[in-house]
Amino acid sequence: DAGITQSPRYKITETGRQVTLMCHQTWSHSYMFWYRQDLGHGLRLIYYSAAADITDKGEVPDGYVVSRSKTENFPLTLESATRSQTSVYFCASTPGDLRYTFGSGTRLTVV
Amino acid sequence: EDQVTQSPEALRLQEGESSSLNCSYTVSGLRGLFWYRQDPGKGPEFLFTLYSAGEEKEKERLKATLTKKESFLHITAPKPEDSATYLCAVQPSGSARQLTFGSGTQLTVLP
Repeated sequence: DAGITQSPRYKITETGRQVTLMCHQTWSHSYMFWYRQDLGHGLRLIYYSAAADITDKGEVPDGYVVSRSKTENFPLTLESATRSQTSVYFCASTPGDLRYTFGSGTRLTVV
Repeated sequence: EDQVTQSPEALRLQEGESSSLNCSYTVSGLRGLFWYRQDPGKGPEFLFTLYSAGEEKEKERLKATLTKKESFLHITAPKPEDSATYLCAVQPSGSARQLTFGSGTQLTVLP
């Protein structure tokens, strides 16, 4: 099915563990983004990518790592999870024409 | 620094009671202003993109307008199924396609 999919849908992890959130899109969109959504803060940009092998930091990148070896995949890794990274994470993509499509989100809880 | 402020934070309407949501923005140059709808547990769903002051767009009971400093989302004769959080976002000129979001307005339409 065409679209943008995120996995897992829900994740509980312990403080200090590494965890990777996956994002896959089927359109071959050039641009991909990772946002986190917290009460009172709205959606904040973590990292974005303009093409395969091109990534850049957003507003809140500390503690996160991204890669984009293939156009369709944009995984987000928390190197050593902290409680402050408990959030809902959304991946998005756009071909560059200003219309963005978001995934359904990953709800991450760090205990 | 780019900034987006939405008001009110929450709005309760009776079915059929029209109203407006406000999005004020400060940006160095505007490439586009977006409205999204977000239902609980889901990712944001695209509604409109506005590009220049004076532009208007409509979809069913929703109409979005844009001035140089703010945008309004007018809801005419709302129904309970219009209940959702409405998000406003801007894309600055010269940016690499990333969006800056407001915190959203949570709309509840009572039957």
